[in-house]
Amino acid sequence: GAGVSQSPSNKVTEKGKDVELRCDPISGHTALYWYRQSLGQGLEFLIYFQGNSAPDKSGLPSDRFSAERTGGSVSTLTIQRTQQEDSAVYLCASSLGVVGGKYFGPGTRLTVT
Amino acid sequence: SQELEQSPQSLIVQEGKNLTINCTSSKTLYGLYWYKQKYGEGLIFLMMLQKGGEEKSHEKITAKLDEKKQQSSLHITASQPSHAGIYLCGADFPSNTGKLIFGQGTTLQVKP
Repeated sequence: GAGVSQSPSNKVTEKGKDVELRCDPISGHTALYWYRQSLGQGLEFLIYFQGNSAPDKSGLPSDRFSAERTGGSVSTLTIQRTQQEDSAVYLCASSLGVVGGKYFGPGTRLTVT
Repeated sequence: SQELEQSPQSLIVQEGKNLTINCTSSKTLYGLYWYKQKYGEGLIFLMMLQKGGEEKSHEKITAKLDEKKQQSSLHITASQPSHAGIYLCGADFPSNTGKLIFGQGTTLQVKP
């Protein structure tokens, strides 16, 4: 079946602009995660949605970052007033529930110029 | 502080050799996940371990979780160039199940 998909695969934006990154999880997966991978920084947790529960936003680095998950499926990560330090690969993952394999998408490479 | 430590940070082995990568947690974890990443690509899920003492295998890759659920090892038998990449361990903890924290990764090169 189809895996996790993300769009766009690459995004170049000017400093100060807003960007939206999209994640389509595996059908039927109730849990959805966003991570950020920066050069030399490893994988950094951003936010986690599980079913209808309130999302765990504890990893969002600033209030410029927000995420939504509509209809329990597609999620959008929004970064407002982008800064150069936001440049990274943004990875989305989904899983059937809290327990179980978490499957990652190919990522969106964001470059802020 | 880094909750998950991976070792070694990088590894170069001759094709056909066995190798082991370790992942150590400072506290008892809930689930331990192993992933492989090729440069510029997403993470490929290898396996998940949840029970103390559990061992799983996928082709020539075997992962074990110790009884205390604080350390896991990933063992590759008879390495191939296709095994090259970055191996990442991730874990969630009883206080925060579902939220994975990752180690810094181990870069593996396999020389033909």
